[in-house]
Amino acid sequence: EIVMMQSPDTLSVSPGERATLSCRASQSLSSHLAWYQQKPGQAPRLLIYDASTRATDTPDRFSGSGSVTEYTLTISSLQSEDFALYYCQQTHIWPLTFGGGTKVEI
Amino acid sequence: QVQLVQSGAEVKKPGASVVVSCKASAYIFSDYYIHWVRQAPGQGLEWMGRIRPGRGDTNYAETFEGRVTMTRDTSIYTAYMELRRLRSDDTAVYYCSVHNPTLREYFLQWGQGTLVTVSS
Repeated sequence: EIVMMQSPDTLSVSPGERATLSCRASQSLSSHLAWYQQKPGQAPRLLIYDASTRATDTPDRFSGSGSVTEYTLTISSLQSEDFALYYCQQTHIWPLTFGGGTKVEI
Repeated sequence: QVQLVQSGAEVKKPGASVVVSCKASAYIFSDYYIHWVRQAPGQGLEWMGRIRPGRGDTNYAETFEGRVTMTRDTSIYTAYMELRRLRSDDTAVYYCSVHNPTLREYFLQWGQGTLVTVSS
């Protein structure tokens, strides 16, 4: 099983600032990685797939990068609606696994 | 826009079984895979398995093999996830989600979630 590790657990930022979230995999993913956003009481929402492709309706302030085992989600200028939990997910091999999440808070 | 509508919350006793349903649309059933993912309170996401509704093929995470069964009823475009021999640590929100087979298993849309509480 591929273990996904996200850091930091919590990221405290101010609106308008840049946020950088990290995701590390226990083995190479060949960029088979997605990022999801989850708000309290809601289902997750796909933001980024294939490490760097924005999903439909994902604002361009969200960008994904990385390769092999190290991946990054960057939010260029945080808006109030971006304060949420973020998860990475690998789709390289079964079982599909998720990171533990990073909470982005004000 | 994909829409997935799940059944309502359930309360079960340890050792019992639960069935959660997920109603989709016709084109979902013909073209997509439906996955089940769960989230324990305050915890992360755990993939349980998937079903290809058009053919009924299933694949389960090893963690749930022998305890979970995923089925579907094509006449009403509804997928089901049955989890047996429930334990207290099965208390979670259970989500159905879909992936387009032209992409890797990225979950494009999700149901609203079904809370299953296991308590004596």
